[in-house]
Amino acid sequence: GAVVSQHPSRVICKSGTSVKIECRSLDFQATTMFWYRQFPKKSLMLMATSNEGSKATYEQGVEKDKFLINHASLTLSTLTVTSAHPEDSSFYICSASGDTGELFFGEGSRLTVL
Amino acid sequence: AQSVTQLGSHVSVSEGALVLLRCNYSSSVPPYLFWYVQYPNQGLQLLLKYTTGATLVKGINGFEAEFKKSETSFHLTKPSAHMSDAAEYFCAVSDHAGANNLFFGTGTRLTVIP
Repeated sequence: GAVVSQHPSRVICKSGTSVKIECRSLDFQATTMFWYRQFPKKSLMLMATSNEGSKATYEQGVEKDKFLINHASLTLSTLTVTSAHPEDSSFYICSASGDTGELFFGEGSRLTVL
Repeated sequence: AQSVTQLGSHVSVSEGALVLLRCNYSSSVPPYLFWYVQYPNQGLQLLLKYTTGATLVKGINGFEAEFKKSETSFHLTKPSAHMSDAAEYFCAVSDHAGANNLFFGTGTRLTVIP
């Protein structure tokens, strides 16, 4: 099946720095990518939906200036957590869909902000 | 509005025993329902989905789920658990057959006891 890869899988950063997480579709063109956040013992919460070449659509309550999403190509979307704080520590998961409409998930990226 | 409730954050079964993971949903429109599995350090993988038609849906790895509108349920079952079934399972609901705009449950961790 199609593969979606996230990098890095784990990242630790200092408070106030910015962190970029990449999401790549390895063997298909992802017209739409989704970013989720997962808190411990909580559901995956959809943060934003991005279509290649256009601005991301953010869910209510998600700060677009805090979580910058770029979907510059059909195989790559990035999530940048700007000026990270400890409360931003979480598990971030991306998913991608292509022509078939089926959704494929990345392995997730665990962010720890000290 | 849509939401999913998964009863039991942890379920333990003996190898060879019946697996039953519960999922109840709430939806103001006809729901599309999904079960995903997440193995350690891997992305979410689609087990099965209900869109329309037959209410008993068969998925991969011997799993199946039955959509019961009257009970607003979509419980996941497998007749005989294998050690390889140990994973985190997520139920999700969408108003879109292509799994866009998914609302996830909090997940159920399945442990299989030898």
